[in-house]
This record gives sequence, structure tokens and C-alpha cells, in this order.
Amino acid sequence: GAVVSQHPSRVICKSGTSVKIECRSLDFQATTMFWYRQFPKQSLMLMATSNEGSKATYEQGVEKDKFLINHASLTLSTLTVTSAHPEDSSFYICSATGGQRGRDIQYFGAGTRLSVL
Amino acid sequence: AQSVTQLGSHVSVSEGALVLLRCNYSSSVPPYLFWYVQYPNQGLQLLLKYTTGATLVKGINGFEAEFKKSETSFHLTKPSAHMSDAAEYFCAVSERSSNTGKLIFGQGTTLQVKP
Repeated sequence: GAVVSQHPSRVICKSGTSVKIECRSLDFQATTMFWYRQFPKQSLMLMATSNEGSKATYEQGVEKDKFLINHASLTLSTLTVTSAHPEDSSFYICSATGGQRGRDIQYFGAGTRLSVL
Repeated sequence: AQSVTQLGSHVSVSEGALVLLRCNYSSSVPPYLFWYVQYPNQGLQLLLKYTTGATLVKGINGFEAEFKKSETSFHLTKPSAHMSDAAEYFCAVSERSSNTGKLIFGQGTTLQVKP
């Protein structure tokens, strides 16, 4: 079964609103979580790496004030897309690693399809 | 810096035929290598991984891959394709010595299986 739960699976919002996406590790304590963005027919682009209890490390070109990441506990990380605009529409995927499951493998959530009108 | 190149963005095979998805990597340090599969509108599922030891790695659903250091390759194969294998496949690399666990993904290969 799934070891990482991502919610919601799909969200449609109006331009200018903020959207929060949750990523939970279900049966292990994830010391590190990753957030990816995937455009249609393209690969996954790493947005940021978050470690529990510390600030997220953002990849070059990713606006940290636009994509707020909070890794408040060892089982939960959230990505908030602030003041969303149509160009933020994409498929967002989280992954988790660490704890009892080790650091070698990332376990992925099912993704969140964000559509900004 | 690490990178991954998947040769062929689209591969089409007949049901029962051999599947070969190509992946070449670039890494200045010993790599960890992965193959993930993605079905439409879903996250990624790990097929197999190479970290150390035996260079021929067997994964789920009958897939296997061989790490060839001299060729910097990690091609994915399956002897006989099944209709359910149709999906997007991603090769990825991470640094063995890295504390970040960051993955670098290839561009992906869409596998089409024809009846």
C-alpha cells in the first residue's frame, strides 16, 4: 500500500487565491521531503527540499515566497501556492525519505493536479 | 553535476515483445540509479534501484536493469511486454555520498504496448 499520502488529488481555484497541498508519510518518519512540479509530458523538476524543523532549500529559479513549504513534523510537509495564477497550473508531487525506510529511496505521493482559473 | 539522458521519448512494442528503455547517466561520484514508473495522473512507483553489489538488478513486474559503469548506462528491460506496462518511465540518479538524497530525473520515456 501507499506509504506517502498527498492531499488533495485535484484542486481548482480562482486566480489570486492560495492553495495548500499536504504530504504525509504514513508508516515512517520522513526526515526529508521533496516537492516536485511536473508539466504535461515532461519530467519532474525538483522545487525544494524540506527537512523537518528547518527551512526548506529551494532550487534555483523557484520563488520561495510564492511556494511556501512547511515541514512541521516528521510525517507532514505542506506546500502552499500563494496568490496562484494560471501559470502555476501544474501537477505537483511530493516524496519522502528517511527514518525507518532509510535515505536510499524516495517514496512518492500520488500527486496534486492544480488548475488555476 | 549529475545528469540523466533517456534515449527515445516514445517507445512502442507489441504485446509479448522485448521491452528496452535506455538510460545513460553522468556523475562524478558513484551513483545510485533508479527506475520509476508513472501511470496517468499518479505519482511515481519505484520499479528497481541499484546502489551497490550485483550490477544486474531485478525489480517488480518482471523488469530488470543492468548497471554498466564502463558505458555509464542503466537500461531497463523486460522479456515480454504486457498491456499493463503501458506508462511513463523515468530513470533517475542520486549521489551515493550525498546527504540530501536529491534525485535527478531523465526526461521520461512513454511506453506504448500494442495488442
